[in-house]
Amino acid sequence: GENVEQHPSTLSVQEGDSAVIKCTYSDSASNYFPWYKQELGKRPQLIIDIRSNVGEKKDQRIAVTLNKTAKHFSLHITETQPEDSAVYFCAARAFSGGYNKLIFGAGTRLAVHP
Amino acid sequence: NAGVTQTPKFQVLKTGQSMTLQCAQDMNHEYMSWYRQDPGMGLRLIHYSVGAGITDQGEVPNGYNVSRSTTEDFPLRLLSAAPSQTSVYFCASSPGQSNTGELFFGEGSRLTVL
Repeated sequence: GENVEQHPSTLSVQEGDSAVIKCTYSDSASNYFPWYKQELGKRPQLIIDIRSNVGEKKDQRIAVTLNKTAKHFSLHITETQPEDSAVYFCAARAFSGGYNKLIFGAGTRLAVHP
Repeated sequence: NAGVTQTPKFQVLKTGQSMTLQCAQDMNHEYMSWYRQDPGMGLRLIHYSVGAGITDQGEVPNGYNVSRSTTEDFPLRLLSAAPSQTSVYFCASSPGQSNTGELFFGEGSRLTVL
């Protein structure tokens, strides 16, 4: 089945710096790659997603890139702010018996220091 | 609009006891799923359903049962709780059988098994 690996597990940056989180996936048939943000004590929420027919997608300070050949995708956050501090999860949609299921990476704890 | 509602929010069980985590959504979503979240392990898929009467196993299904008799409800049953099932459980739903879009998460249920 699908396996998603995420690095780094923790990331500490100064306010205003950029942060990059990287994920790799194993199933070459996966075609949908969302990123979720989970603030302390809260539920995960979608922040951006990308489909396999697109190489890059941007939304204000966040962007996601996808390299299908290498089977990896990355989240880029520019001009980081303290409110960006959270756990970020990447995910890949895998196929199984005709049904799709979303498999998550282990998460990256991002700390943005003022 | 309540979204995805999970109950209970907190539960303490003794080893061997049984219980059911309830999940209900009022968005008419066809796709529903259960994840468990453990430190350093990310969100791991337990079971999922693509519609009433249809369920399938995820990454870590052992020790858990599910059923989907209605579109709205997707309960998760622990028949004989074990300390290894201590975790935070999230129910999530998405429109469409193919889970092509955003997952909407409940607030989570923290389960402790002594």
